[in-house]
Amino acid sequence: QKEVEQNSGPLSVPEGAIASLNCTYSDRGSQSFFWYRQYSGKSPELIMFIYSNGDKEDGRFTAQLNKASQYVSLLIRDSQPSDSATYLCAVIGSGTGGFKTIFGAGTRLFVKA
Amino acid sequence: DAGVTQSPTHLIKTRGQQVTLRCSPKSGHDTVSWYQQALGQGPQFIFQYYEEEERQRGNFPDRFSGHQFPNYSSELNVNALLLGDSALYLCASRSREWEETQYFGPGTRLLVL
Repeated sequence: QKEVEQNSGPLSVPEGAIASLNCTYSDRGSQSFFWYRQYSGKSPELIMFIYSNGDKEDGRFTAQLNKASQYVSLLIRDSQPSDSATYLCAVIGSGTGGFKTIFGAGTRLFVKA
Repeated sequence: DAGVTQSPTHLIKTRGQQVTLRCSPKSGHDTVSWYQQALGQGPQFIFQYYEEEERQRGNFPDRFSGHQFPNYSSELNVNALLLGDSALYLCASRSREWEETQYFGPGTRLLVL
């Protein structure tokens, strides 16, 4: 079982729709969760982080965390073609003695104009 | 405020050669992590440096080594290159060893022939 799993996609949504990206993780003791956006040929860019169960909103982005289900998601409202990218879920696991960040393989999102 | 910088941007080597990649952290940051990102995969943690010491290491062989200098800049060295070492190498910095938010540099794309 991979430590952080994401659907590789591609996920295709029309412009203006809500894009829903999902991620599961295996380490039940994980405490910190991140979403990065990576455009083709570029480096990852931090979008949001979430530490507590529930929702966290930042503009058009909402991160949701459910530690009991070991599940974290990212919702993008009013999707724009410029949101087309790979979205990486990242987790800082427990018991690593520090801050070893584990990434999923990413979900490719296409927003059709 | 300069962000994370990396050099070179691209590099071509042949099997068996050695390579050195360089990273300068974001201003005010003292902790540097290195990641390897193969095509279509998420970044894989190589190691992290703080106070000129390797603090954590991922599942990479000893061919991968690093160094951090007193000005917080860092080098990643890879010996006896294999074809499978071809990847995007990312450097990320954070403001303190225990700070969870990190910022990525543009990466160095290494091709091993």
